[in-house]
Amino acid sequence: GAGVSQSPSNKVTEKGKDVELRCDPISGHTALYWYRQSLGQGLEFLIYFQGNSAPDKSGLPSDRFSAERTGGSVSTLTIQRTQQEDSAVYLCASSLDRDQPQHFGDGTRLSIL
Amino acid sequence: DQQVKQNSPSLSVQEGRISILNCDYTNSMFDYFLWYKKYPAEGPTFLISISSIKDKNEDGRFTVFLNKSAKHLSLHIVPSQPGDSAVYFCAARGRGTGNQFYFGTGTSLTVIP
Repeated sequence: GAGVSQSPSNKVTEKGKDVELRCDPISGHTALYWYRQSLGQGLEFLIYFQGNSAPDKSGLPSDRFSAERTGGSVSTLTIQRTQQEDSAVYLCASSLDRDQPQHFGDGTRLSIL
Repeated sequence: DQQVKQNSPSLSVQEGRISILNCDYTNSMFDYFLWYKKYPAEGPTFLISISSIKDKNEDGRFTVFLNKSAKHLSLHIVPSQPGDSAVYFCAARGRGTGNQFYFGTGTSLTVIP
């Protein structure tokens, strides 16, 4: 389909392991966002990419979190040395530009044992 | 610090009646507001938006009202249908508030046939 695609849809891993989450945005969308949603909470902003500009990393909760966007398209979110509090649904969204509504993927449900 | 609040976690409405979902915000810099709808195990889907130059925006059965002085917006769904049963999030952003959208915690709407 032509929507935002995220993989894996579910990930279970042991505390201390590294995980990598992938996002394929809609073709042509220059803006890409990562959010996470913990149980009973709203969406928490993590990072924003716009074209070739330096990303806005202001929402990353710690230096264990990093993200990159290669070629202005696919993005990966990496969490190193995972902790139980990292358990959440990680959502990726893209938009034509900053001022347009975001289109979300279905998320990756991350569970840290 | 929750800058966008949805104080009703759930709402039940009879089919055919009006559903009113409410959202309050604290940041007077917000000038762009959106509503998203989310089904279980799916990402949020954009519904309708409004900018602060307007106080009402309508799209079919969905109308969003903005009261800037009260820092309050609401989503009206008329008539409500069983397929409208989902979690509804409001989100906001403004010039000078950063790149992220600030999301509320959501209201779960159940439309009873």
